[in-house]
Amino acid sequence: AQSVTQLDSHVSVSEGTPVLLRCNYSSSYSPSLFWYVQHPNKGLQLLLKYTSAATLVKGINGFEAEFKKSETSFHLTKPSAHMSDAAEYFCVVSESSTNRDDKIIFGKGTRLHILP
Amino acid sequence: GAVVSQHPSWVICKSGTSVKIECRSLDFQATTMFWYRQFPKQSLMLMATSNEGSKATYEQGVEKDKFLINHASLTLSTLTVTSAHPEDSSFYICSAANYNEQFFGPGTRLTVL
Repeated sequence: AQSVTQLDSHVSVSEGTPVLLRCNYSSSYSPSLFWYVQHPNKGLQLLLKYTSAATLVKGINGFEAEFKKSETSFHLTKPSAHMSDAAEYFCVVSESSTNRDDKIIFGKGTRLHILP
Repeated sequence: GAVVSQHPSWVICKSGTSVKIECRSLDFQATTMFWYRQFPKQSLMLMATSNEGSKATYEQGVEKDKFLINHASLTLSTLTVTSAHPEDSSFYICSAANYNEQFFGPGTRLTVL
């Protein structure tokens, strides 16, 4: 069965320090994996996606994520946090195969707090 | 916990007809709901922000006359795809916020023949 687990509901880091938001997944098929960011009262914005190409994916605003099949992980990282990075982050798994409907599973989200 | 439902979960319609998709927050009230669409292996695309009691805010490139959004109550938003064509076939997802937590509907698969 599909599932997405975001291991931390809240993460706090100081400005200028690295960010790590963790995501583990389970999938029966070859999944596509996404990270989205949501600022207050705004819709989701795509940060990056993995769709079976390079395992290290670079996204917008300096974020990147590495797909590790052996660990079933897709953690989101950024070398240096900015105040503007404070937001909610969602890890999402999407599956598509020829003999079943597409499925999309959302993680519960991780709220990132940036300390001055 | 809070739940967001969508109805129908899948629908097939003929080209030229209109289809209505409902998004309900089952045990909480949501002043704002979001509508997204997703093509296979693609990312979610925000279509519009649905505000209770006022007009929806559409993203650039989304035709508001084609994708009608009505947020009639604090627990219900509807998306109507008018005069649907095969290129409108997609997976439509809504979300709603309860306090500071976001909940997503299970999605509606629309296939236009």
